[in-house]
Amino acid sequence: QVQLQESGPGLVRPSETLSLICAVSGYSISSGHYWGWIRQPPGKGLEWIGHMYHSGSTYNNPSLKSRVTISVDTSKNEFSLRLTSVTAADTAVYYCARHDVMAFDIWGQGTMVTVSA
Amino acid sequence: DIQMTQSPSSLSASIGDRVTITCRASQNINTYLNWYQQKPGKAPKLLIYAASSLQNGVPSRFSGSGSGTDFTLTISSLQPEDFASYYCQPSYGSFHNFGQGTNLEIK
Repeated sequence: QVQLQESGPGLVRPSETLSLICAVSGYSISSGHYWGWIRQPPGKGLEWIGHMYHSGSTYNNPSLKSRVTISVDTSKNEFSLRLTSVTAADTAVYYCARHDVMAFDIWGQGTMVTVSA
Repeated sequence: DIQMTQSPSSLSASIGDRVTITCRASQNINTYLNWYQQKPGKAPKLLIYAASSLQNGVPSRFSGSGSGTDFTLTISSLQPEDFASYYCQPSYGSFHNFGQGTNLEIK
């Protein structure tokens, strides 16, 4: 059974960098699939951040592209998100997910990140 | 950039009702369209992929249709556990952002 689990700081200061990790169990990242991030501000809808193949091919949301880095560590079977220069607008629940051929088919439970001084 | 317009934004319905949610893309995305269900405090769940393919384990009362720019999600007979939010999402080239969502409430 494939499972994903997000981890990282729950509080980030404005202008700093948000860093999250998604640990994958029950499946080897290097076997295939894309691995991605989606976020949801409190009371609002879902926003796709981006997703990445284990070998490096990446798709990113143009509205966030310059601030986002998604990377994969096959040795640890995990992938990560870095979002630079955060503001209060980046406060959200952040989900990691596996992207199958067509869609995000397996999701983590989500982790809340608040941007505040 | 491809914009997704989902309607209605909210919907009230009763147990047993047939419900349809629509999603319109700003340009042709063939059948590269997915539907998700999200319950409060939970991660989204994939219902339909490639416009009309039912994800494993999803009840058959859920169905999807459409191609090109116009898509629909239909629930044939609402059950209590179906009251949730629903989102469409394209999976077309570099365009993967979600529709704004439909909140399905009990009437």
